[in-house]
Amino acid sequence: GQQLNQSPQSMFIQEGEDVSMNCTSSSIFNTWLWYKQDPGEGPVLLIALYKAGELTSNGRLTAQFGITRKDSFLNISASIPSDVGIYFCAGRNKNTGNQFYFGTGTSLTVIP
Amino acid sequence: SQTIHQWPATLVQPVGSPLSLECTVEGTSNPNLYWYRQAAGRGLQLLFYSVGIGQISSEVPQNLSASRPQDRQFILSSKKLLLSDSGFYLCAWTRRALPDTQYFGPGTRLTVL
Repeated sequence: GQQLNQSPQSMFIQEGEDVSMNCTSSSIFNTWLWYKQDPGEGPVLLIALYKAGELTSNGRLTAQFGITRKDSFLNISASIPSDVGIYFCAGRNKNTGNQFYFGTGTSLTVIP
Repeated sequence: SQTIHQWPATLVQPVGSPLSLECTVEGTSNPNLYWYRQAAGRGLQLLFYSVGIGQISSEVPQNLSASRPQDRQFILSSKKLLLSDSGFYLCAWTRRALPDTQYFGPGTRLTVL
């Protein structure tokens, strides 16, 4: 199936720094989702985006649905050690079925 | 509120043995249900999804099968496990009426030896 291009693949940052990651697709989506996964656990939904251009925040996290509908961005401000984990994007096009397509993940390490 | 359960949490099985992983969702009716496999902590691979009882769509031909005997129960099975079946298996659900938001279960770590 289709895989989204997610970058960067990994990030090592100092505590307190801001983080940006993005996801791109070759086809348009109606929905973009961002998840965080801790080791040995299932992904937890962070933010859901349903409209092109939409900007949504969840605490220190902010995500945007790209205008072209082929990309999305996730920003984390003032990172803290518990932000460590793997972040995944996912997209869905309602006209092509019930499937969600996932990015390959961004591994975030926060150095205290 | 809705809750999704998976069991067992971890499983170690010998090659050639059968497999049965279970997923149940509480607090909603008629969900769409999904099975994914995740290898090496990355890359979720969609294995099966179901829009109703007895309705299974297979995305990847392989050694596994899925069944949905009840509305909120989704089972992943194999008759004979292969080494390559090792991985982290995740169940997920969406609402039938608004399938734009997907929620994951806690996962099952399967090791085939």
